[in-house]
Amino acid sequence: QSTLTQPASVSGSPGQTITISCTGTISDVGVYNYVSWYQHHPGKAPKLIIFDVSSRPSGVSSRFSGSKSGNTASLTISGLQAEDEADYYCNSYTKNSGTLDVFGSGTKVSVL
Amino acid sequence: EVQLLESGGGLAQPGGSLRLSCAASGFTFRYYAMSWVRQAPGRGLECVSAIAPSGATSFYADSVEGRFTISRDNSNNMLFLHMNNLRAEDTATYYCAKYDTSQITRPRDQWGQGTLVNVPS
Repeated sequence: QSTLTQPASVSGSPGQTITISCTGTISDVGVYNYVSWYQHHPGKAPKLIIFDVSSRPSGVSSRFSGSKSGNTASLTISGLQAEDEADYYCNSYTKNSGTLDVFGSGTKVSVL
Repeated sequence: EVQLLESGGGLAQPGGSLRLSCAASGFTFRYYAMSWVRQAPGRGLECVSAIAPSGATSFYADSVEGRFTISRDNSNNMLFLHMNNLRAEDTATYYCAKYDTSQITRPRDQWGQGTLVNVPS
């Protein structure tokens, strides 16, 4: 299936700010403001942390923020904490047939 | 508290069948669209199927069209995925996920912990 392109891994020290990119096409990220981000600790349920490009669900830390420019969406984690170590996936609605939406390839965030 | 509890995964032979179930609680199930999302070993997430609140409308990824059937029982707050003619490439952890509204264009705001399906090659 088609996937959005994310870096395989990003790392940072506690307190630092990191950014994860998510590159799509004019059929998904570039045309819709329906980009979401999910945090996934292996073995646990994925958690929605950003929706509609930059909105945060209730209860999600303000250290998480989202943005979009053209075909690329970004997730920024500021004040990196040990608990942020997890896999992160972006997700976008798509106009491509045969699939409802597309997910990113996933980024492993490591806190050094 | 919203809870989504998947069950029904396990070992299945190629060409075989399995039925996954998802027990939902903590919200008014009949108001929300639901979906099944899978993650194959070492790979990313893939939405395989979604269903409208009434069950009247459903969606399937090309990879499972004609083999999988999604259904729901709003009286008992249950979501199902009937999987037939299973293939090795269906091996994955299957997650039950709730949309944040009745629309399948919206984000999935709650997920279960997943159930593992293993179809050996």
